[in-house]
Amino acid sequence: AQSVTQPDIHITVSEGASLELRCNYSYGATPYLFWYVQSPGQGLQLLLKYFSGDTLVQGIKGFEAEFKRSQSSFNLRKPSVHWSDAAEYFCAVGVSNFGNEKLTFGTGTRLTIIP
Amino acid sequence: GAGVSQSPRYKVAKRGQDVALRCDPISGHVSLFWYQQALGQGPEFLTYFQNEAQLDKSGLPSDRFFAERPEGSVSTLKIQRTQQEDSAVYLCASSPSSGGKRNKETQYFGPGTRLLVL
Repeated sequence: AQSVTQPDIHITVSEGASLELRCNYSYGATPYLFWYVQSPGQGLQLLLKYFSGDTLVQGIKGFEAEFKRSQSSFNLRKPSVHWSDAAEYFCAVGVSNFGNEKLTFGTGTRLTIIP
Repeated sequence: GAGVSQSPRYKVAKRGQDVALRCDPISGHVSLFWYQQALGQGPEFLTYFQNEAQLDKSGLPSDRFFAERPEGSVSTLKIQRTQQEDSAVYLCASSPSSGGKRNKETQYFGPGTRLLVL
């Protein structure tokens, strides 16, 4: 069965520092991969997605992610974080079933930004 | 344009009560999903609709959970005889259909309904 692992429950980063959030997936077929961000009391917002092609994907808010098939990873990066980036980040894999892509999520990484 | 809306935003129920949670998807979106997010966890898939047809309900945790989308737009998730373990945030998402074997369209999420069962 498919699964997503986000090994870091909580990460603290200084404002202006670089960021990398880890994500490993397990899925037997070609993975569709996603990163979502969730702010308190808000719904999930898509940051970026990968289906095929270029393994380095650019997203909104200056985020990027790199798909590495050999490592089953899809890590999220940002060169310089802003205080507004503090939120919960979820990695997900799309599982094709009945023509839909239901998402299997990891448990999330909570990002704290310190001045 | 308007996004996905859900109501109520908060619901407190006594154990054993029935509850109904509403989802208004983005107009014209074919696909509609329900997810359950327990505290400190990622969302977990419950069920999927394509228009009015419920094509996948493999994630519904018990027969106390029932979802419908009778006219292919608004959807209702009903939980009968609520239990404390049903306490969670219930998220609704919708997406257009891109056709083809796999749907590459983005799922747009609503703000969720936070259910607390006492």
